[in-house]
Amino acid sequence: RKEVEQDPGPFNVPEGATVAFNCTYSNSASQSFFWYRQDCRKEPKLLMSVYSSGNEDGRFTAQLNRASQYISLLIRDSKLSDSATYLCVVNMWSNAGNMLTFGGGTRLMVKP
Amino acid sequence: EPEVTQTPSHQVTQMGQEVILRCVPISNHLYFYWYRQILGQKVEFLVSFYNNEISEKSEIFDDQFSVERPDGSNFTLKIRSTKLEDSAMYFCAISYNEQFFGPGTRLTVL
Repeated sequence: RKEVEQDPGPFNVPEGATVAFNCTYSNSASQSFFWYRQDCRKEPKLLMSVYSSGNEDGRFTAQLNRASQYISLLIRDSKLSDSATYLCVVNMWSNAGNMLTFGGGTRLMVKP
Repeated sequence: EPEVTQTPSHQVTQMGQEVILRCVPISNHLYFYWYRQILGQKVEFLVSFYNNEISEKSEIFDDQFSVERPDGSNFTLKIRSTKLEDSAMYFCAISYNEQFFGPGTRLTVL
């Protein structure tokens, strides 16, 4: 079973649309959760951390359901510049530091 | 957001050759990480480095790989004898909870 699972997409949406991505993780001991964005052949860039209470940053809203081991990202009023691959990322802290475990990413294409 | 630079941006090498990839954080950090991403695949953890020693490593990080921080600022990843399957993007990351990635080095092994 994959540790972090995402629908690869692509999600093709028109500008202005609302789009939601989901992610499930297998390790119940995971402690921190993130959404990163990756443009083609570029590095992952942190979009937002995901907190148990849910959090919002402008047009982006992230939710975490620890009981179901499920993370979501909602993008409202999609822009052309939102076209990218969205990576669901979890980590598990230890005394040795932490390593991030990445999902395979969900590709979003916003069309004019 | 912390800044990280990586050199070279692209490295082409022959199979069996040694390569050294470099990471330079702009400010001081204690935690460093290397990840790799084979084209079309997910980002994979290689190694974490804390207080000048390896703190965690993955199965990918075998004896062909090594890391060091030779002069207190640069953080290097060495692959001793490259294989074709080492061709990938290699990303350095810094910080502790939220990790910030450098622009990566594209390694092509011929």
